[in-house]
Amino acid sequence: DAGVIQSPRHEVTEMGQEVTLRCKPISGHDYLFWYRQTMMRGLELLIYFNNNVPIDDSGMPEDRFSAKMPNASFSTLKIQPSEPRDSAVYFCASSLSPGGTQSEQYFGPGTRLTVT
Amino acid sequence: ILNVEQSPQSLHVQEGDSTNFTCSFPSSNFYALHWYRWETAKSPEALFVMTLNGDEKKKGRISATLNTKEGYSYLYIKGSQPEDSATYLCASSPGSGNTGKLIFGQGTTLQVKP
Repeated sequence: DAGVIQSPRHEVTEMGQEVTLRCKPISGHDYLFWYRQTMMRGLELLIYFNNNVPIDDSGMPEDRFSAKMPNASFSTLKIQPSEPRDSAVYFCASSLSPGGTQSEQYFGPGTRLTVT
Repeated sequence: ILNVEQSPQSLHVQEGDSTNFTCSFPSSNFYALHWYRWETAKSPEALFVMTLNGDEKKKGRISATLNTKEGYSYLYIKGSQPEDSATYLCASSPGSGNTGKLIFGQGTTLQVKP
């Protein structure tokens, strides 16, 4: 398996523009997670899905952020409109199981977002 | 609010030294403890997942222990090598059941000098 795939790897956009980040989880993994990594706050969980259904979106910063998972092999994280404070590295991760010793998460390479 | 704390924040050791870091988490509302290794310009990679008090896991020169009663886990690296240089993250999975949600600590950054 190619692992978790994210695109784009880098995104530079202007304030106010819409940004869409994409993720393909590992085939067979039922859980998908979106994280944001910043120097100030470290690695924060934004939202996660189980079998394409959003389970917990309490980490989504505000209404400008939305995430979807239309099928088992694809998820998007959208920011509209983007702001400079959204600049961060966004990681997608997937796992086979939610808990127990099979619950390790496999991370994608991340998307580095810069909003100017 | 669930806080996962790691110490020290950073560590510099010489090649061959053994080292250890600490992860502390609220002992109530605990389900599992994860350790990840994060090299610069790469993604976090899972090292261990532990659930039971007294659990001890080992992978090569790296091992981890878990104390759920007092809410801490130790990660040990025996005979550090330059390739061990990375940030080591721990994460707690809270709750009484399977949620999948992880709360990450800020990490311990290890630099091993040749």
